[in-house]
Amino acid sequence: EDKVVQSPLSLVVHEGDTVTLNCSYEVTNFRSLLWYKQEKKAPTFLFMLTSSGIEKKSGRLSSILDKKELFSILNITATQTGDSAIYLCAVEPHSSYKLIFGSGTRLLVRP
Amino acid sequence: NAGVTQTPKFRVLKTGQSMTLLCAQDMNHEYMYWYRQDPGMGLRLIHYSVGEGTTAKGEVPDGYNVSRLKKQNFLLGLESAAPSQTSVYFCASIRGGSGTGELFFGEGSRLTVL
Repeated sequence: EDKVVQSPLSLVVHEGDTVTLNCSYEVTNFRSLLWYKQEKKAPTFLFMLTSSGIEKKSGRLSSILDKKELFSILNITATQTGDSAIYLCAVEPHSSYKLIFGSGTRLLVRP
Repeated sequence: NAGVTQTPKFRVLKTGQSMTLLCAQDMNHEYMYWYRQDPGMGLRLIHYSVGEGTTAKGEVPDGYNVSRLKKQNFLLGLESAAPSQTSVYFCASIRGGSGTGELFFGEGSRLTVL
């Protein structure tokens, strides 16, 4: 059975800290891995990763994929209170129309 | 920029009542999805559609039905609501087929079944 596991489930840090969120997966015929940020309402897209070792970066956020070890990490440097959210990881198998989501990591950044 | 619109945003039902959630997208997307989100469980796929007139079961389809009579609309029905269906429901759509990445989500519909 395909599955996506995120860790930690929740995390509390102080502003300025750096955090690393983890996503491991077991999926038949992997195609892509996606990261979303969910604040109060709908998830919003952050990154899509398809190739190992190529870092995607957007401001203070970055992500990388390891297809050999079947995991991805999402790094946030110099965290701000606005980074507080649930971060969702999802994997898309080949020949499938469905994304498989992990349970999410709830991040709280304290002032 | 409407994107994906869900109605209603909030609803309280009594056990056994029925209701329909409507999802509308104006991006001409082929693929549409209904997810439910419960605390600590991420997003779980209920049903999805790969085109007008087609629907398929997802991970947790029991107790729900769907219809996609028009390309832009995807309806989720609860025929006889149960307290276990208390959840936040998200509709999403995607531009192309698999491998095109970004899902576009509606803002969610919070359903409470008493």
